[in-house]
Amino acid sequence: DAGITQSPRHKVTETGTPVTLRCHQTENHRYMYWYRQDPGHGLRLIHYSYGVKDTDKGEVSDGYSVSRSKTEDFLLTLESATSSQTSVYFCAISDRAIQETQYFGPGTRLLVL
Amino acid sequence: SQKIEQNSEALNIQEGKTATLTCNYTNYSPAYLQWYRQDPGRGPVFLLLIRENEKEKRKERLKVTFDTTLKQSLFHITASQPADSATYLCALDMDSNYQLIWGAGTKLIIKP
Repeated sequence: DAGITQSPRHKVTETGTPVTLRCHQTENHRYMYWYRQDPGHGLRLIHYSYGVKDTDKGEVSDGYSVSRSKTEDFLLTLESATSSQTSVYFCAISDRAIQETQYFGPGTRLLVL
Repeated sequence: SQKIEQNSEALNIQEGKTATLTCNYTNYSPAYLQWYRQDPGRGPVFLLLIRENEKEKRKERLKVTFDTTLKQSLFHITASQPADSATYLCALDMDSNYQLIWGAGTKLIIKP
């Protein structure tokens, strides 16, 4: 987890409220990713970024938005949280091509009631 | 659609034996495959990457094979130790979409 922090680490919120998760890196890596991990599923990509202000959708982007205004920060926003968004969220970074080795943060556990 | 299969049941291995985990995929021809380790409550940690033109790769007690004909990768841990107990994930590149797709992981338990 060195060089990558996520905040908050745990959050409980109510359906319909907006939620923002933050990923911060000190590695100066170009690529950043947001995944969700649910039991029985592999990691599923929500959004990714290939540079400041450059982002794209992943496999499960509905209901999520992202922003990257600085190299080191990548924000994930749930516009209006739903119970189906209860999950563990991981941020990851990589230095070279987007498919290369990824380094993960410690995760954020989100519970939507 | 692309699909990756890893053993969903936990794999129990006696300490000192070789643990072998399987990653099978369908409907795709990846350029490379990666293996990660994940401990409870933590993010995945990269272990090994193997490319399509490599049959085998080693790192200390770890060995990965990649058979593009069988569409399968095997991950071996030799002389296994209780500290090797974790969930192991495989991931493939999706070259056309610049994304990785991930297996759900296999939980490995090494018993003393």
